[in-house]
Amino acid sequence: DAGITQSPRHKVTETGTPVTLRCHQTENHRYMYWYRQDPGHGLRLIHYSYGVKDTDKGEVSDGYSVSRSKTEDFLLTLESATSSQTSVYFCAIGKGGVTDTQYFGPGTRLTVL
Amino acid sequence: GEDVEQSLFLSVREGDSSVINCTYTDSSSTYLYWYKQEPGAGLQLLTYIFSNMDMKQDQRLTVLLNKKDKHLSLRIADTQTGDSAIYFCAEIPPGGDSWGKLQFGAGTQVVVTP
Repeated sequence: DAGITQSPRHKVTETGTPVTLRCHQTENHRYMYWYRQDPGHGLRLIHYSYGVKDTDKGEVSDGYSVSRSKTEDFLLTLESATSSQTSVYFCAIGKGGVTDTQYFGPGTRLTVL
Repeated sequence: GEDVEQSLFLSVREGDSSVINCTYTDSSSTYLYWYKQEPGAGLQLLTYIFSNMDMKQDQRLTVLLNKKDKHLSLRIADTQTGDSAIYFCAEIPPGGDSWGKLQFGAGTQVVVTP
């Protein structure tokens, strides 16, 4: 998985609780992305980062925030989890440049009850 | 929602060729990608094609691009059981703020039968 880890790999939580997912890379890539995967929807971009402390919104950013204080870590926070945020979350990294090939982590399965 | 469209399911016999089809949104899209997802795993980049190419071949994989019809296909020759997976087509739409923002199709589940 190109030196990308995600933690936790599985989480069950209750509606209204805060949740933070972590993505860690050892490749020193500049770009990091958070996607969610839902049946019938493919992957949809939540937020992405183009450098330390530089982040921007993706297609489905409502209800999510991110932070990147170090090159290697990109955190995704659900301030108050809802059942609609039950999903599989993937982190990806990229070097940037013309093709911006993205490499994906193993995913985190989040269930909000 | 999905602007990149794929058929959801494909069944193929071992040893036959598989063809997975995709239509994408914008004829100006510069790069188009195929990713593979095996059960319980993340996505693995299979191949990509530049919009100035009509075809790209990489071992058992052949990508065909028809820009006029905005149609992309992935052909897998001599399909093996290890090719059973979900295959995603993706594009990076044109536009200054779209760079790096992959748009994925819903994925095609390929099942290879003996």
